[in-house]
Amino acid sequence: DAKTTQPTSMDCAEGRAANLPCNHSTISGNEYVYWYRQIHSQGPQYIIHGLKNNETNEMASLIITEDRKSSTLILPHATLRDTAVYYCIVRVAGNNAGNMLTFGGGTRLMVKP
Amino acid sequence: EAQVTQNPRYLITVTGKKLTVTCSQNMNHEYMSWYRQDPGLGLRQIYYSMNVEVTDKGDVPEGYKVSRKEKRNFPLILESPSPNQTSLYFCASSPTGTGISPLHFGNGTRLTVT
Repeated sequence: DAKTTQPTSMDCAEGRAANLPCNHSTISGNEYVYWYRQIHSQGPQYIIHGLKNNETNEMASLIITEDRKSSTLILPHATLRDTAVYYCIVRVAGNNAGNMLTFGGGTRLMVKP
Repeated sequence: EAQVTQNPRYLITVTGKKLTVTCSQNMNHEYMSWYRQDPGLGLRQIYYSMNVEVTDKGDVPEGYKVSRKEKRNFPLILESPSPNQTSLYFCASSPTGTGISPLHFGNGTRLTVT
């Protein structure tokens, strides 16, 4: 699976949009981009995923560049409860993709009042 | 409520005393997996199961066993725990093992082996 690069940490003001970048320059055509977050030591929580089109759900938006070498997770109105570690992962899809997801260091997002 | 339930949440044990961490999901998911999380090492996969009676090793399977006798349950067994297995453990499930469905995680089990 393609490796990802994320900033170690970021700050965001409460109520503002949080834009979390991820670089995945070696991504292959059949690899999806996934975002998860982990609040303190709770289980990781799925946020959103996409292949090549931009995606939006009730939690966030995912913008994937045309060449698919990078993406940005957008939390439109960050709240204090969005303080967490955010993981960007790329994962190949297939009939036997059993070894699913390798989580790297992620970005520690701190939302400040 | 759809969820992955792990028990216990916290466990302190001694070296060599066999233990089992249970994991159950109520979403009829085919795929289940165990991870451990250690500072600076991220989440690493221990074992996974594509369906009932189908299990396979992940990245760090040494010292662990699993079984998948029924779809909803995927227990993690430590036959002879050692201090280097002190960690935060997560169970996860997904509708299929094809990699296009998101993983649903339990709330974790913090294990300390003395």
